[in-house]
Amino acid sequence: DGGITQSPKYLFRKEGQNVTLSCEQNLNHDAMYWYRQDPGQGLRLIYYSQIVNDFQKGDIAEGYSVSREKKESFPLTVTSAQKNPTAFYLCASSIGQGANTGELFFGEGSRLTVL
Amino acid sequence: AQSVSQHNHHVILSEAASLELGCNYSYGGTVNLFWYVQYPGQHLQLLLKYFSGDPLVKGIKGFEAEFIKSKFSFNLRKPSVQWSDTAEYFCAVTGHAAKIIFGKGTRLHILP
Repeated sequence: DGGITQSPKYLFRKEGQNVTLSCEQNLNHDAMYWYRQDPGQGLRLIYYSQIVNDFQKGDIAEGYSVSREKKESFPLTVTSAQKNPTAFYLCASSIGQGANTGELFFGEGSRLTVL
Repeated sequence: AQSVSQHNHHVILSEAASLELGCNYSYGGTVNLFWYVQYPGQHLQLLLKYFSGDPLVKGIKGFEAEFIKSKFSFNLRKPSVQWSDTAEYFCAVTGHAAKIIFGKGTRLHILP
């Protein structure tokens, strides 16, 4: 089945620790995205990547880092510099070009709790 | 910069009532517009989309939305809601490159 796989589903970390969230897609999509979902805040864009080895900051990139070494993978690292890391993180992908830009396919999400 | 504003944060309706959820966007160029829905415990999924052409677009489950360029709006409508429409609804816009921006969402609660 084609889709987006995020892992882990739940993650706990202590303050001061970095943590990496995995996102893999087998849809052959060019574009991948990371959003953060908080109650009442909607989805806020952290980083996005339109092509391998290239990515752009979204609206709330501070305290996060990403890499895009392979088309199918777009891991997100939540660093200790992120002041409020406890949140629900969503990864998504899109064909990423032409008229279909914007139709996103989402993973199940990863819930990070900082203790 | 792109932005999306959803006016209603929480809407409560009875079954069979008509629904309209407001969405306004800010972007000066050509846009693609979307409504996504998140049912309780489920993934976000696409409800409908506007790329070009007829400004009145129809989506799944009887939903429709109208793109009014002069008002920078893309309101979601449904003539008669059902209890199963209880969900959170998100408006989204993409303009510049592949950057996709979402509104804060509207929680819809349908009373049986």
